[in-house]
Amino acid sequence: GQNIDQPTEMTATEGAIVQINCTYQTSGFNGLFWYQQHAGEAPTFLSYNVLDGLEEKGRFSSFLSRSKGYSYLLLKELQMKDSASYLCAVRDSNYQLIWGAGTKLIIKP
Amino acid sequence: KAGVTQTPRYLIKTRGQQVTLSCSPISGHRSVSWYQQTPGQGLQFLFEYFSETQRNKGNFPGRFSGRQFSNSRSEMNVSTLELGDSALYLCASNRGQTNTEAFFGQGTRLTVV
Repeated sequence: GQNIDQPTEMTATEGAIVQINCTYQTSGFNGLFWYQQHAGEAPTFLSYNVLDGLEEKGRFSSFLSRSKGYSYLLLKELQMKDSASYLCAVRDSNYQLIWGAGTKLIIKP
Repeated sequence: KAGVTQTPRYLIKTRGQQVTLSCSPISGHRSVSWYQQTPGQGLQFLFEYFSETQRNKGNFPGRFSGRQFSNSRSEMNVSTLELGDSALYLCASNRGQTNTEAFFGQGTRLTVV
């Protein structure tokens, strides 16, 4: 079967750095996406990785290791507005997106 | 440009009834995907339509069906509703290319009583 694993919940302090991990086992790989979803709102796109390495976009960075089936999302200089769920999704060999259950990130002052 | 529009936003139905949800993608987007989201379960893929053809289908019973029209608008139908169908139903559109991100609508919150 196909599986995406993420921690259920994480807590971090405003101004700090947090790393959210995602491991996956899928039938093929055609890219990995990270989305942010605030409570009661639609998910919004954060990043896309298809090759190994780090993609940096402002305070957010995403890393991919295809050989390890592993990715992480790194959030720097945390702000209260970063409190949200972070969803990891992998596009499989059929180009279908397989989603993790999401990681709820709680930011404390 | 306008985003993905889903209607209605909220819906309450009785067990056994049927329901139709609508999704209008971003202009120019030809792919529409439907997801069911419940607390702790993440996004469960229902189906994807591209140019009026179902391109992918998830592991949901036949009570869940969909279609896409020539203007790329899509509808999703659930027949013989069950209590467990209560969820947020999200629609996402993209241009249809594999390396592009999906844009989500605000969703339809369906409650079955």
